[in-house]
Amino acid sequence: AQSVSQHNHHVILSEAASLELGCNYSYGGTVNLFWYVQYPGQHLQLLLKYFSGDPLVKGIKGFEAEFIKSKFSFNLRKPSVQWSDTAEYFCAVKGGGNKLTFGTGTQLKVEL
Amino acid sequence: SAVISQKPSRDICQRGTSLTIQCQVDSQVTMMFWYRQQPGQSLTLIATANQGSEATYESGFVIDKFPISRPNLTFSTLTVSNMSPEDSSIYLCSVVARDRGKAGEQYFGPGTRLTVT
Repeated sequence: AQSVSQHNHHVILSEAASLELGCNYSYGGTVNLFWYVQYPGQHLQLLLKYFSGDPLVKGIKGFEAEFIKSKFSFNLRKPSVQWSDTAEYFCAVKGGGNKLTFGTGTQLKVEL
Repeated sequence: SAVISQKPSRDICQRGTSLTIQCQVDSQVTMMFWYRQQPGQSLTLIATANQGSEATYESGFVIDKFPISRPNLTFSTLTVSNMSPEDSSIYLCSVVARDRGKAGEQYFGPGTRLTVT
């Protein structure tokens, strides 16, 4: 069975600070990895994905994530956050089939 | 990308009643999924709705409690039956993209916020 662990439940940053949200997964085979974002009052949107190839993937709004297979990790990063990045961030893994398994989410608050 | 709409967007229901949630997609999709997001928790897959065959339920979810219909490739319904306060959640419909270059990406509807009193 696949599982996802997000270690940071609540993160508070000042604008322009750098962001790194941790995500570790458990699955024995080939995985697809995703980060989703849910802005206040909006529905889930895909930020970025990793299927294969370059382990450093870039997504929308300046976000990137690095797949480190040896560490079973897919951490999300952004060099300089903005107030508008305030949202909940979910890491998700897809192993065999089409089932997406989500982490518990990280609530990010960016203060001016 | 697929545009997904859900009805109703929210509802408050009495214990013991049932609610049917509709999911409409603007393009034909093979697989549709229903997720639940309980307060303060992450998303959990309830079932996969396949057109032309029975839905496939995840462990902990049963057809009698969450019957699903999938009459065509753009529409599905999820019914929450004999509701109790523990069923208070956001229910989300999701589809897998078929667009070239976006294959494997999964999109989510806006959700239906259900409160059971």
